[in-house]
Amino acid sequence: GQNIDQPTEMTATEGAIVQINCTYQTSGFNGLFWYQQHAGEAPTFLSYNVLDGLEEKGRFSSFLSRSKGYSYLLLKELQMKDSASYLCAASDSNYQLIWGAGTKLIIKP
Amino acid sequence: IAGITQAPTSQILAAGRRMTLRCTQDMRHNAMYWYRQDLGLGLRLIHYSNTAGTTGKGEVPDGYSVSRANTDDFPLTLASAVPSQTSVYFCASSGLAGAGYNEQFFGPGTRLTVL
Repeated sequence: GQNIDQPTEMTATEGAIVQINCTYQTSGFNGLFWYQQHAGEAPTFLSYNVLDGLEEKGRFSSFLSRSKGYSYLLLKELQMKDSASYLCAASDSNYQLIWGAGTKLIIKP
Repeated sequence: IAGITQAPTSQILAAGRRMTLRCTQDMRHNAMYWYRQDLGLGLRLIHYSNTAGTTGKGEVPDGYSVSRANTDDFPLTLASAVPSQTSVYFCASSGLAGAGYNEQFFGPGTRLTVL
């Protein structure tokens, strides 16, 4: 079957760094997406990885290892506005997204 | 309008009633999707459309139907609502179907409660 695993909740301190992990098992693989979702709002796109390695975009970076079925999202210099859920989604052989349940990130002052 | 709009924002519905959730996009995207999001579960695909005139079933299609008469609109119909369909429904669109980099843009969601 197809499955995405990510931690349910994480807590971090303002100004610190946090890494949110995601493991995936899909029928075929066409890339890994990360989305951010604030409470009561729609998901918004953060990053896409299809090749192994690190993609950096400002304070956010995303890493992919295809051989391990593993990705992480790295958030640096955490701000209170980063409090949100972070959704990992893998694109399968039909280019449909398989979504994880999301990781709720709580930022403390 | 800019992006994707959904209507209504929220709705309380009696079980057994018929309900259509509306979704309109103005980005001329080919592909559109309907998801439901329940606490503790990931987004689950209900139905999708890769282009106007075609639709397909997702992971959880039972009890739902869709149509795609034109590029912009993708309504979702619950023929006879049941309490298990209580959820937040998101419509999304993407420029290309069948492509790896296929960023999906989401509407604001419809919060549906079936009593």
